[in-house]
Amino acid sequence: QKEVEQNSGPLSVPEGAIASLNCTYSDRGSQSFFWYRQYSGKSPELIMFIYSNGDKEDGRFTAQLNKASQYVSLLIRDSQPSDSATYLCAVRGVMDSSYKLIFGSGTRLLVRP
Amino acid sequence: DAGITQSPRHKVTETGTPVTLRCHQTENHRYMYWYRQDPGHGLRLIHYSYGVKDTDKGEVSDGYSVSRSKTEDFLLTLESATSSQTSVYFCAIAGVADSPLHFGNGTRLTVT
Repeated sequence: QKEVEQNSGPLSVPEGAIASLNCTYSDRGSQSFFWYRQYSGKSPELIMFIYSNGDKEDGRFTAQLNKASQYVSLLIRDSQPSDSATYLCAVRGVMDSSYKLIFGSGTRLLVRP
Repeated sequence: DAGITQSPRHKVTETGTPVTLRCHQTENHRYMYWYRQDPGHGLRLIHYSYGVKDTDKGEVSDGYSVSRSKTEDFLLTLESATSSQTSVYFCAIAGVADSPLHFGNGTRLTVT
C-alpha cells in the first residue's frame, strides 16, 4: 500500500463547477497535510496546508481533513480553465521522527470552458 | 521561487559518467530536500538535509549522494549515471521542520 494515494484522473469538470480532489494516507500519526498545484513542465507550488481536523478556507480553495478516516480533500469552487493542472497531496509522516514530506502521485484536473 | 536556484536546468549525459546537480538558496533555511519526479510515481524523496553536514536518506537514495557544506548549498551527485536516473529533479527548502516546502524550478536530466 502506498503511503499517500490519489486518483490519477483526469478529473474533468465544467467551468464554474466545484472540483473535489481526494487523498488518503496510511500513517495514522501524520500531523500535517499539504496541497500543491503543478502545471505541466513547472515546479509544484503550495496552495494550502492544514494541520487540524475540519475545514480550512482560502479564497476559492477549501481543504478538509478527517484524521479518523485518514483522508484529506481539496475543494475548488468556481473552477476556472486556469485551474487545469495536476494537484499533489503531501503528508508529513512522523513514523521515524523525521519530517519527510511524502507525496501522492497527483490528480490531473481538467476544467472545460 | 522563494529564492531557490537549481543548476543546471537541463543536462544530457552518458551512462557511467558522474553528474552533480546544485541547489542554491538565499532564504537561510535549515532544511533542504532533493526529490525526483517520474510519470506515475509522483515526487519521491532522494535525500534531505536538516543542517550543515547533516543529511539523511530518503526512499530512493541508491545511486545518489549529497553534500551540504554551507547553509545555502545542497549538492546531489550521481556517482555513475544510469538510464534509470533520467528524471526531473527538484530541490526544495523549508525554514522549520513542520513548515511547507518551497520548490526550485527543477533540473531535467537525461542519461543516454
